[in-house]
Amino acid sequence: GAVVSQHPSWVICKSGTSVKIECRSLDFQATTMFWYRQFPKQSLMLMATSNEGSKATYEQGVEKDKFLINHASLTLSTLTVTSAHPEDSSFYICSAEGTSGLHNEQFFGPGTRLTVL
Amino acid sequence: QKEVEQDPGPLSVPEGAIVSLNCTYSNSAFQYFMWYRQYSRKGPELLMYTYSSGNKEDGRFTAQVDKSSKYISLFIRDSQPSDSATYLCAMVGNSNYQLIWGAGTKLIIKP
Repeated sequence: GAVVSQHPSWVICKSGTSVKIECRSLDFQATTMFWYRQFPKQSLMLMATSNEGSKATYEQGVEKDKFLINHASLTLSTLTVTSAHPEDSSFYICSAEGTSGLHNEQFFGPGTRLTVL
Repeated sequence: QKEVEQDPGPLSVPEGAIVSLNCTYSNSAFQYFMWYRQYSRKGPELLMYTYSSGNKEDGRFTAQVDKSSKYISLFIRDSQPSDSATYLCAMVGNSNYQLIWGAGTKLIIKP
């Protein structure tokens, strides 16, 4: 089956610094990747949809200048949290859309826990 | 072998039937078990969250965990067409916070 990895799995940073999170599809090509944010015991909130080679589409209320998304290749998308603040502390999960048979399936990464001090 | 196995389906059942969705896992370190429901083009919605072996009910949904068999289930009673979605199981170990996902089962409830 398809595997999606994220790096790092856990990052702690100081307030005001920027953090980059990578999302990779390991054994398939993904033209579309999604970035989610999850607070404890809550549903995943879609932040943005990332298409390879084009600008990401952000959900309402998500600051595109704060959460920079780059989808430079069919296997890699990055999310950069710029000037991170404690309220940005959360669990960030990516997913990659692959094609299996007649269905587009979404495969989820293990998540990255961001703690901003 | 994957850490979490889940049949991708599709699973098609008539309206009103009881639906059983299952995941098996291999890592005995998993302690937290979650079921998510995802409609097409939407983010996964957390349905149930369990920690211990046994059953947990919430309306028409029952989550069951059997740690000795490394097997979890989600039952949906009185299934409705609006339950048609992809259902994903996810698990977390005690030592880290990373989610290990099942592949998701596509459920279709026929009116």
